Formats: sequence, C-alpha cells, structure tokens
Amino acid sequence: ELKVEQNPLFLSMQEGKNYTIYCNYSTTSDRLYWYRQDPGKSLESLFVLLSNGAVKQEGRLMASLDTKARLSTLHITAAVHDLSATYFCAVDSNYQLIWGAGTKLIIKP
Amino acid sequence: GAGVSQSPRYKVAKRGQDVALRCDPISGHVSLFWYQQALGQGPEFLTYFQNEAQLDKSGLPSDRFFAERPEGSVSTLKIQRTQQEDSAVYLCASSFRRGGYGYTFGSGTRLTVV
Repeated sequence: ELKVEQNPLFLSMQEGKNYTIYCNYSTTSDRLYWYRQDPGKSLESLFVLLSNGAVKQEGRLMASLDTKARLSTLHITAAVHDLSATYFCAVDSNYQLIWGAGTKLIIKP
Repeated sequence: GAGVSQSPRYKVAKRGQDVALRCDPISGHVSLFWYQQALGQGPEFLTYFQNEAQLDKSGLPSDRFFAERPEGSVSTLKIQRTQQEDSAVYLCASSFRRGGYGYTFGSGTRLTVV
C-alpha cells in the first residue's frame, strides 16, 4: 500500500526566510504533484514532477524529485505573506492520487 | 466551462437524510474523480470514471455512497442516510487523459451532517 508522509505538518516562519517541506512516499510512482490550498478553497496545482532529478521553479517555490530516495522537496525562498497556505504533495498510483496530510504554512510579516 | 464546477457549495443535512452532490467537469475531459477531504487532512480517493464507465469505486466508504456519470459529463455523488462521519469536503476533479494527469479540481462541496 502506497503511503505518503509530509513533514513538517505545521510551519510558522518569518517573511524573508527560507524553508523546505519534505514529502516521502513508500513505493515507486510515475508522477508526484504539489498542490496549494487556501482556507475554504480548492486545490491549486503547483508542480508535476515526472522523473528522477526533476526540478521545477515558479517564483519563490522550487520543487524537486529524487525517485531513488522516494523523496520530493518543496523549497520556499525569501518567504512572503502571500505564500501562507496549506501545501500538499500527492503521488499518482494508477490514477488514484495518494495524498500527504498537508503542511500548514504561516508566514508572519 | 472554464473550470470544474461543483454544487451546492455548502450543504447541511440532518442525520439520516439523503444528499446529492453535483460535479460539472471541464468540457471534453474524459476522466472524472471524486475525493473526500476531512477537516485538516489530505483528500482520499472515492471513485473514478472514464467517460460514463465507473472503473473504480474502491474508495467509497460504504454502500450508502453511490456515484454516477450517465452521459459521460456531469457526475452526481449520492449519499444515503447520512451519518455524522460523512461530514467532509467532497472534491471533484477532471482530466483530459484516460487515467488522470493534468487534474483540475473543483471548489468542493462542504457537507455538514447534524
């Protein structure tokens, strides 16, 4: 059974700081996704990572994938308040998405 | 439409009541998925349609849950005799590809059973 673990589950940080969210998964998969969810809102797709060593960047967010270690990271650079949200990773398992529990990120001015 | 549309946005049901949740996917999207998201948790898979065929319903938590997509577009998730543990956000997603990828999620229906 595929399991996905995120850590930390909660993160409070100051604006301008850097931090990394980790996503471990238990079996091989073709695709790994990162999503953002604001309170009361739906899931916004951030990145899709398809292969070992894949790195994608959008603004202050950068995601990477190491399929051998079964690890993906979401790195936040020089955080700003607008990035406050809950971030989920999800792994594709035969069209089912298996989700981590989410990392609630609060960025304080 | 431009996105995945779900209705109602909020639903309060008395325990034992039947509810129906609607999902209108992006036009032309072949695959449609339902997920259940409990408060403070990640979504959990409920069921998957490819066009009108329900190919996987392994995630439906009980026989009170039923989903259909009769014409391969709009889908309805029905919950009979609702229980308090059914309270959650129900998310619908669609994809242009068979089996997923490039998922677009709707805003969800927040169901509260009292």
